Amino acid sequence: QVQLQESGPGLVKPSGTLSLSCGVSGDSISSSNWWRWVRQTPGKGLEYIGEIYHSGSANYNPSLKSRVTISVDKSKNQFSLKLTSVTAADTAVYFCARRDGYKYFFDYWGQGTVVTVSS
Amino acid sequence: QTVVTQEPSFSVSPGGTVTLTCGLSSGSVSPNYYPSWYQQTPGQAPRTLIYDTNTRSSGVPDRFSGSILRNKAALTITGALAHDESDYYCALYMGSGISVFGGGTKLTVL
Repeated sequence: QVQLQESGPGLVKPSGTLSLSCGVSGDSISSSNWWRWVRQTPGKGLEYIGEIYHSGSANYNPSLKSRVTISVDKSKNQFSLKLTSVTAADTAVYFCARRDGYKYFFDYWGQGTVVTVSS
Repeated sequence: QTVVTQEPSFSVSPGGTVTLTCGLSSGSVSPNYYPSWYQQTPGQAPRTLIYDTNTRSSGVPDRFSGSILRNKAALTITGALAHDESDYYCALYMGSGISVFGGGTKLTVL
């Protein structure tokens, strides 16, 4: 069974960088799947952030592209999210997820982690 | 900017049938957008219900079905149960690794 687990600081200062990791078990980060990040602001809907393949190829939501970097760490079987120049608007629950490499949907999800941007 | 539209809220009686829809601000939804549907209860991660328009994810009861209806993706719940009361999100694949979620529909069962 594939399991995803987010980790990282729950509090980030404004103008700082949000950094999260997603540990993967039950699958290899080097498999033919894509690894994704999604966020959900308080009381709002889901927002797609981006995805990465084990080769390092990444795709980002155009609205966040200038501030987002997603990377892969094969040695730890995990992938990571960095979001720069954060503001209160980036306060959200951040989910990591998997996209089946041959499909176009989210088939496994992490439980989510809350990140608050505040001084 | 592509906007995926969903009804903000919907209500269904226990045992009833409800159809939620997922459209585009401009244009029609077709299977080429690989519509998928997710159920989310407060404080929980989304649960995958439907993908590729009408394929149920593993373990999803056949009360849930997906289709294309009048140029929109549709999620139909037949014989609604109290625990179906959740938020439902659709997602469309736009190509080039980009997915876009709808704003979600809050379903009330009463």
